Amino acid sequence: EAQVTQNPRYLITVTGKKLTVTCSQNMNHEYMSWYRQDPGLGLRQIYYSMNVEVTDKGDVPEGYKVSRKEKRNFPLILESPSPNQTSLYFCASSLYSQGVRAEAFFGQGTRLTVV
Amino acid sequence: SQQGEEDPQALSIQEGENATMNCSYKTSINNLQWYRQNSGRGLVHLILIRSNEREKHSGRLRVTLDTSKKSSSLLITASRAADTASYFCATAVYSGNTPLVFGKGTRLSVIA
Repeated sequence: EAQVTQNPRYLITVTGKKLTVTCSQNMNHEYMSWYRQDPGLGLRQIYYSMNVEVTDKGDVPEGYKVSRKEKRNFPLILESPSPNQTSLYFCASSLYSQGVRAEAFFGQGTRLTVV
Repeated sequence: SQQGEEDPQALSIQEGENATMNCSYKTSINNLQWYRQNSGRGLVHLILIRSNEREKHSGRLRVTLDTSKKSSSLLITASRAADTASYFCATAVYSGNTPLVFGKGTRLSVIA
């Protein structure tokens, strides 16, 4: 089954404690991205990757890191989480052909609370 | 970099009625996509319409695109309680590195 898998689904952590949210897709998609969703602000892109070893900043990259060492995995790293990073996070992947984004497949989300 | 803006922000209808949501965007696009999100869950792709298409159907969904007005609409016919969700439009532009940009969504409530 084609899917994007995120882990964990729920996470409560303390300020400053490094954490990683994993994301894996089994569709051989070139393009992967991370979004955060906050009430009233919609979905905002954090980082994206157009292929292995190619990553770039989205609209709200501050406080986050990513890596793309393999095509299927795109972890999101919070080196020193702060309460303003409390949010619902989504990983997504899509085909990227001729400079155009096809439909995106989303993971189930990670609800992160930083206290 | 908000591109799409959905209208209305919230919509409440009776089961069996049709629901129409609109999306406006600012720049030229290659395609426009509609997604659905059940509360707190991941977004699910519904339909993609290319810039050279004017209308597309999928089951009870009908999407129109007017590139001259930079707008799209999503019509859900004969709505069901299970259609209760948030609906987002997303635009894909021609520029290579530009991401898929989502609007803030329309919250649809279908009352049984």
